[in-house]
Formats: sequence, C-alpha cells, structure tokens
Amino acid sequence: GQQVMQIPQYQHVQEGEDFTTYCNSSTTLSNIQWYKQRPGGHPVFLIQLVKSGEVKKQKRLTFQFGEAKKNSSLHITATQTTDVGTYFCAGPGSSASKIIFGSGTRLSIRP
Amino acid sequence: GAVVSQHPSRVICKSGTSVKIECRSLDFQATTMFWYRQFPKQSLMLMATSNEGSKATYEQGVEKDKFLINHASLTLSTLTVTSAHPEDSSFYICSAREAAGEAEQYFGPGTRLTVT
Repeated sequence: GQQVMQIPQYQHVQEGEDFTTYCNSSTTLSNIQWYKQRPGGHPVFLIQLVKSGEVKKQKRLTFQFGEAKKNSSLHITATQTTDVGTYFCAGPGSSASKIIFGSGTRLSIRP
Repeated sequence: GAVVSQHPSRVICKSGTSVKIECRSLDFQATTMFWYRQFPKQSLMLMATSNEGSKATYEQGVEKDKFLINHASLTLSTLTVTSAHPEDSSFYICSAREAAGEAEQYFGPGTRLTVT
C-alpha cells in the first residue's frame, strides 16, 4: 500500500538554527499537505502544494514539492521555541476524500 | 476559522464496557468526517471515513463491529468503541472537511481513552 515516510524522525536544534524535514512517497502524489502538531495538541493545517516543483513560503517556513511529485520538504529558517512540535506531511489516499499522514518529524529546540 | 469539538477530552473505562466519542463541527457543515487513532509519539492512522447519511468506510485492519461510527447529521459524527480492551487505549482524533474538494481538514482536540 501507499507509504509516506519522513526523515529525520527527531531533530533537536539550538534556537536560531535552521531545520528541514523531508517527506517521501512511494507513489506520485496529486498534492501534498503539511500539518503541525504541538505537544499534547491536535494537527493544524499549514499548507497544500499541488504543482510540480512548487515552492511556497510562510514567513520563516519554506515548503517545496518535488519535480516528480513524490517528495516534499519543509524548511524553517532561524528556529524559535514556538516552532516546537511534530511536523507531518500528508498525501491523498486511495480515494480522493482521505489523506494518509507521513511518519512525522519531531522538532525540539534548545533555548 | 472552522472549529471542531470532541467530547469527552479524556475518558477512563473498564475492560468490556463501551465508550462513545462525539465529534462536532461547530460553525460549518461537514459532509465528511474522519476518525484517526494516534499512539504516543507516532503518526495519525486513519481508521475510517464517515459520510453523513451513509455507512462509514473503514480502513483495512479496522474492525467495523468494534469501532462503530455514526454520522447522523452534517455536524455530528460519533465513534463508539465497543467491548473495550486495554489495547484500545489511545488518542482518538476526528477531523472534518467543510466541503468536498477542500484541501484543509479541521481537527478536533482529540479524546484520550484509557481502558483499565
């Protein structure tokens, strides 16, 4: 079945350092979404990418969709303590209505 | 933004009993709601897709007789864990889409179920 993997599983950085998480799908994706889940909280939608090679920015966050639409990345510039949480990518499942979440990357930050 | 609520937020029950979890879209109508299960420090696993007025679609490996889903209205879906066992202890999260084709899913705050 379809799998969406993320690396790294964990990342511990000094505040102010950059952070990147990578998402890889076993199949070509029509779109990819990114979510953030704070510790003890629920996932919050960040963005959706649709086009091959698409790059979108949200302040310090840069999202990229690969040319082959099988991988994606999220890069955070100059991390802050508020960035702590688990970042999930998610792609469409076997039916158009559902999404499959990646394994997630947990970000922790040293103040 | 759209808000999804879940009730209860935490529940402790004894083995063999049933527990009902409610998921409500508070300020929008959701034709489709989703139920996920999340174990500590793991990803969200989709359990089922709940469609208003029709039977839920369960993912492979999810027992439909154990996890009963009812989507009685456009704002309410319920998940009933029947004959609960300790291995059913988990974090259950629902989400809803405002309209078909919408990208964004709005997640409820989750329900922490502990079966003793």
